[in-house]
Amino acid sequence: QVQLAESGGGVVQPGGSLRLSCAGSGFTFSTYGMNWVRQAPGKGLECVTSISYDGSNQNYADSVRGRFTVSRDNSKNMLYLQMNSLRPEDTAVYYCAKSVSSSWFINYFDSWGQGTLVTVSS
Amino acid sequence: EIVMTQSPATLSVSPGGRVTLSCRASQTISSNLAWYQQRPGQAPRLLIYGASTRATGVPARFSGSGYGTEFTLTIAGLQSEDFAVYYCQFYNKWPLTFGQGTKVEIK
Repeated sequence: QVQLAESGGGVVQPGGSLRLSCAGSGFTFSTYGMNWVRQAPGKGLECVTSISYDGSNQNYADSVRGRFTVSRDNSKNMLYLQMNSLRPEDTAVYYCAKSVSSSWFINYFDSWGQGTLVTVSS
Repeated sequence: EIVMTQSPATLSVSPGGRVTLSCRASQTISSNLAWYQQRPGQAPRLLIYGASTRATGVPARFSGSGYGTEFTLTIAGLQSEDFAVYYCQFYNKWPLTFGQGTKVEIK
């Protein structure tokens, strides 16, 4: 069955950097778009970034554009999120989520990891 | 950006009851809408896509409807595991946007 496992969360000071990873298994990783969705404590869901199945296209929420970079290594079935210039408002659980298809226009999420907590605080 | 607005914020329902959750899009989105369930401490789970198609393994007591800008999720015969937060999501174009969620709680 599909499994997604995030890692790399932790406590970081404002202005710092962190790299999240997501390991995918149980499906053909290289044929699906992938996403990072975050949830601030007690709040709703925000799609932070999406990356196409081959890594050639990415989209970012305005709140993170220019600070976060998504990438993937299909040879390793891995998804990454490089987060720079972190702010307290970036504090959230970050979920890795698998798109239902390779299409850039059918981007809902049929599998989610359990999430990794990122806390930005001094 | 398409804004998704859910109502109400909270619904109090007795087990076995029926609830209808609403989701409104700020522009027409055809049927490009998904619903998710999030239980406390868990990741979201896909329930409905295409506004009305149940995802694999989702019980028939969950049903979705709507088109354009107005959508509903109905849960008939609420069971204990259905008390959770429900989110709608527009998914056809970036930015992908979620509603703020509706919490279904035990009355």
